[in-house]
Amino acid sequence: EAGVTQFPSHSVIEKGQTVTLRCDPISGHDNLYWYRRVMGKEIKFLLHFVKESKQDESGMPNNRFLAERTGGTYSTLKVQPAELEDSGVYFCASSLGQGGHEQYFGPGTRLTVT
Amino acid sequence: AQSVTQPDIHITVSEGASLELRCNYSYGATPYLFWYVQSPGQGLQLLLKYFSGDTLVQGIKGFEAEFKRSQSSFNLRKPSVHWSDAAEYFCAVVTFPGFQKLVFGTGTRLLVSP
Repeated sequence: EAGVTQFPSHSVIEKGQTVTLRCDPISGHDNLYWYRRVMGKEIKFLLHFVKESKQDESGMPNNRFLAERTGGTYSTLKVQPAELEDSGVYFCASSLGQGGHEQYFGPGTRLTVT
Repeated sequence: AQSVTQPDIHITVSEGASLELRCNYSYGATPYLFWYVQSPGQGLQLLLKYFSGDTLVQGIKGFEAEFKRSQSSFNLRKPSVHWSDAAEYFCAVVTFPGFQKLVFGTGTRLLVSP
């Protein structure tokens, strides 16, 4: 069974540019989560999809971040325009259910904004 | 709000020696607690979790953790460390209500010396 995949693994962009990160969850997992780790800090929750609906987007930093999950399959996270403080590692996770169900994490996308 | 503290940023242990990684949480009720590990280039992998019942939890790769309500702690232990255990370890709690998003500590990087 394929795990959670993320693309790209690394992205280096200039301030003001746009970047789109993609996450493919484990097949059949309705729950999809985005997290971010800024260097030296803890991993922080961004948002949670159940199928194509946003269940909780309380962690989204501001309106420069847009997440979508069309058709309830893969998800994209767009940052437009990118700022220096957006640099970090963006993790995607998926789970079969909520609560105590294990969240399976992808390897992350390392975003560097220069 | 729930929070997790991992007081040790780095720990170095000799191969074959025992290991204990500390985790303290702040939460009003009985928490759902997790330990994840991230090896270089990999996503986060669940080592073990605690919901209720026996306070000593066994996980994968020979790890165990003990929930101590009186100390608000969930420390991770391993009796004999292997070089392959070198990685970053994250303690996390699931938020309530909803039990959806994970709240992570800042992580502890484990170095294993020969």
